[in-house]
Order: sequence, then C-alpha cells, then structure tokens
Amino acid sequence: DQQVKQNSPSLSVQEGRISILNCDYTNSMFDYFLWYKKYPAEGPTFLISISSIKDKNEDGRFTVFLNKSAKHLSLHIVPSQPGDSAVYFCAASARDDKIIFGKGTRLHILP
Amino acid sequence: NAGVMQNPRHLVRRRGQEARLRCSPMKGHSHVYWYRQLPEEGLKFMVYLQKENIIDESGMPKERFSAEFPKEGPSILRIQQVVRGDSAAYFCASSLTFSSGNTIYFGEGSWLTVV
Repeated sequence: DQQVKQNSPSLSVQEGRISILNCDYTNSMFDYFLWYKKYPAEGPTFLISISSIKDKNEDGRFTVFLNKSAKHLSLHIVPSQPGDSAVYFCAASARDDKIIFGKGTRLHILP
Repeated sequence: NAGVMQNPRHLVRRRGQEARLRCSPMKGHSHVYWYRQLPEEGLKFMVYLQKENIIDESGMPKERFSAEFPKEGPSILRIQQVVRGDSAAYFCASSLTFSSGNTIYFGEGSWLTVV
C-alpha cells in the first residue's frame, strides 16, 4: 500500500521553463513533507520541506505547495536549469514516525 | 567530511555469502535509518535505530537481515546468505532528533550486487 504516490515516472521540461513535480498522499496523519533530489550513483539530497501548518514554502528557485484537503503537494522549480536533471523523491512523515518515500519522478531538462 | 559516511560503496557477493554494510552518522546525530532502493523502485524504509536500540524494524525482511547501532562505532546492516533479490542500493540516513519536522540526511549509498 503506497502512502506516498508520484504518478509521473518521468517529466521533460525545456531549460528556463518551470518544472512542476506532483505528489499525492493517502495518510491524513502526515504532517511533514519533504522533497529530495538524487543523481545516479549518489545518495538523495534534501531539497526543501513543508509543515502541514503551511501551504507554501519557498527557497530560491524551489517552491513547495501543500494542499491538505486534496492530499497533494507539488514542487516548482523555476527557472529550470540543466543541473536540475535528476530523480526527485517526495516524502512524508507523521508525528514521531518514520519518513515514507514515493517512487520518484525523473526530471529531464532539455536544452 | 561531516556528512553521513557509508562503506563499502560497492560490494559484490556470491549467493549464500554474508554482506555487511557500515554507516557512520553525521557528527552529533544519534538516529540512524536504513533504506533500500531496488531497481526502478523508490526508497523503502527498512529500520530505524538509536544508539544500542532498534526503534522500528517494520521494513526489515523477517529472515537473514539484521541491524545494529552499538554504543561505539558505526551502524551495521547485515545480510546473511544473500540471494540475487538482495541486489540493491542501500542508503543510510541520520538525524539529530526523531520528531515531527525531522529532516534526515543521506549517505552516498552502498551498492550490493549478488552474483
């Protein structure tokens, strides 16, 4: 049973445009959400997070939006750059519980 | 390097052998997590440990897999009698605390290949 779902296995975006990665979750107890970025043969790198008391968190080119009623979050990257090509994992946790990851979305930034 | 350190980075084992993967958490972190990534899959939680204690091993296979985090030294993930299906990337992560709003930081991973 997948509690964190990333329904798009891959996404291609033109360099300079906005990349939008989506994530849905089923557990209403989740109160903390994270995005990680992963290059091949490397470990995941923490990107940005958001608490359930917020609906938006911004850090430079990265913005995460949370829609609790829809149990949906998204990561916006603007403008997209070649170095953004990677696999992006959405993750979530409930209070005092482990972090659960989605299967990831592979982002390709096209020149 | 103050990050999470994992070794070995790559490990090849024959079926039936034992694999030992080590993880040293970030400085000051006392919480360690192990995740596994199978080909074309996401990161699956395996086990969460504090020093000398296993807190949550709900993701660990019931047989052949064990983990420890001794008072001194790194955390060890041990896989006995490896099979081809154990071939995967094993990632260790650490955190300062274990509470809501917790961020975990990953090591570079250990790639196990069973031949």
